Amino acid sequence: GQNIDQPTEMTATEGAIVQINCTYQTSGFNGLFWYQQHAGEAPTFLSYNVLDGLEEKGRFSSFLSRSKGYSYLLLKELQMKDSASYLCAVRGDAGNNRKLIWGLGTSLAVNP
Amino acid sequence: NAGVTQTPKFRVLKTGQSMTLLCAQDMNHEYMYWYRQDPGMGLRLIHYSVGEGTTAKGEVPDGYNVSRLKKQNFLLGLESAAPSQTSVYFCASSASTNEKLFFGSGTQLSVL
Repeated sequence: GQNIDQPTEMTATEGAIVQINCTYQTSGFNGLFWYQQHAGEAPTFLSYNVLDGLEEKGRFSSFLSRSKGYSYLLLKELQMKDSASYLCAVRGDAGNNRKLIWGLGTSLAVNP
Repeated sequence: NAGVTQTPKFRVLKTGQSMTLLCAQDMNHEYMYWYRQDPGMGLRLIHYSVGEGTTAKGEVPDGYNVSRLKKQNFLLGLESAAPSQTSVYFCASSASTNEKLFFGSGTQLSVL
């Protein structure tokens, strides 16, 4: 089968660094997305990885290892507004968005 | 730009009633999608469209119909609502099959 695993919940302190992991088992791979979703709102795009390595974008970075079926999202200098759910999604072997496989999301709580 | 706009934001239906959810995007995107999001289930694709006049089934299409008469609009219909269709519905669009998704703000639907 195909599935994505993420921790259900995480807690961190304002100003700290947190790493949210995502492991996947899919029949193919054509890219991995991270989305942020605040409670009661729409998911919004954070990052995209298709090649191995680290992609940095401001306070957020995302890493991918295709051989290990593993990605992480790194959030630095945490702010209260970073409290949200973080969704990992993998595009499977068809290479198009209708084959996106979504994780259940990691709910991050940032405490003062 | 408004991006992706969904209406209504909230709706309560009785079992057997019908309704239509409207999605509009102003980004000239070819691809549009309807998802539902349920606790413990993640995002699941209901139907999608690869262009004006086209629609296709996603992962969980039963009980829903869609239409894409105009490029900017994607309608999701429930002909005879059931309690199992209580969910949060998200519309999304993308410029191409491989591009990131832009989501609407969601519709909270309760079927009693």
